[in-house]
Amino acid sequence: DGGITQSPKYLFRKEGQNVTLSCEQNLNHDAMYWYRQDPGQGLRLIYYSQIVNDFQKGDIAEGYSVSREKKESFPLTVTSAQKNPTAFYLCASSIEEGGRYNEQFFGPGTRLTVL
Amino acid sequence: QKEVEQNSGPLSVPEGAIASLNCTYSDRGSQSFFWYRQYSGKSPELIMSIYSNGDKEDGRFTAQLNKASQYVSLLIRDSQPSDSATYLCAVNRAGYSTLTFGKGTMLLVSP
Repeated sequence: DGGITQSPKYLFRKEGQNVTLSCEQNLNHDAMYWYRQDPGQGLRLIYYSQIVNDFQKGDIAEGYSVSREKKESFPLTVTSAQKNPTAFYLCASSIEEGGRYNEQFFGPGTRLTVL
Repeated sequence: QKEVEQNSGPLSVPEGAIASLNCTYSDRGSQSFFWYRQYSGKSPELIMSIYSNGDKEDGRFTAQLNKASQYVSLLIRDSQPSDSATYLCAVNRAGYSTLTFGKGTMLLVSP
């Protein structure tokens, strides 16, 4: 089955710890994205990558880091510098066709709670 | 700041009625428009995409786009209780890979 997987589904972190959220896709999509969603809020873009070994900051990149060593994988690290990391984290991917990026498809999400 | 605005709701409709969800956007360079459905605690699911002015129909869903008025809407005919969810409007600017999302409209369909 083609799709986007995220792990873990739930993650608990102690203050001061770094944690890494996994995102894998087997759709052969070019671009991948990380969003954060807080209760009652829309999706806010953290980082995105259009090609392997390249990525750009989104609107709220402070306290986060990413890598894109493989087309299929785009892990997100939530560092201790992120002051309020408790949120629902969503990974998405999209395909590029003729210079246009089409629909984004989402993984099931990871719910991170800081204890 | 490019913005996408949606009424937060909730929009309450009885079963079988037409639900009308609206979205306005500020960036005149926007070229692609998407509607996502998000059930509570779940990730967004793409339900409609529209790229040109006019209507696009898919089953019970119709997306309407008016670029001159910077307005996109989603109509759900014969609404069902299973349609109860938050509907997110997303907009893409020409040449960019990112989407700008609205905060979503909660739809409640009562039996």
